[in-house]
Amino acid sequence: DAGVIQSPRHEVTEMGQEVTLRCKPISGHNSLFWYRQTMMRGLELLIYFNNNVPIDDSGMPEDRFSAKMPNASFSTLKIQPSEPRDSAVYFCASSLRGGQGRISSYEQYFGPGTRLTVT
Amino acid sequence: SQQGEEDPQALSIQEGENATMNCSYKTSINNLQWYRQNSGRGLVHLILIRSNEREKHSGRLRVTLDTSKKSSSLLITASRAADTASYFCATDGKSAGGTSYGKLTFGQGTILTVHP
Repeated sequence: DAGVIQSPRHEVTEMGQEVTLRCKPISGHNSLFWYRQTMMRGLELLIYFNNNVPIDDSGMPEDRFSAKMPNASFSTLKIQPSEPRDSAVYFCASSLRGGQGRISSYEQYFGPGTRLTVT
Repeated sequence: SQQGEEDPQALSIQEGENATMNCSYKTSINNLQWYRQNSGRGLVHLILIRSNEREKHSGRLRVTLDTSKKSSSLLITASRAADTASYFCATDGKSAGGTSYGKLTFGQGTILTVHP
């Protein structure tokens, strides 16, 4: 298995521009998580999906952030407009959680992250 | 409030020594997990301990869980330079109905440096 795939790996953009981060979870996983990591705030959960449905977006900083999961194999996190304080490493993670006869796995598998720099 | 507070924030040891990291949390949990992060990489799952378990082993890792004290410890025995990384505990919170919230809450991590 290729693991969780994120793109791009690095993104440098100017303040005010739209940024779109992409994630492909591990095939068969039914939960997807977006995190942001900074030195000051550590690892923060932004939003998570279960079976493509957003379950908890309480960690999304503000309306400039939005996330979608149109199907089980793809998710995007969009920032519009971007600001310098959005600079961070953004991680996507996936996991398999219970139900329908499948073995439940609570551990999360992380992608390599996207390092975002907004100037 | 912050779940999963690790202690110490940083730990520096010599190769061959044991490393112990602690984690405290505030609310009821279904399970507690430990992750490792090498510089510039994503987190990697190390071990999971369920709320009804008290100790678990995996290779050179030993995890304990004390739900009465809401704390856990991770012991890495016979450390190697390659163990240098940040280590995070994460809790899978339990709702009033006993079900999982479906998400993990991570602590700030312990930075472990193992000198050759």
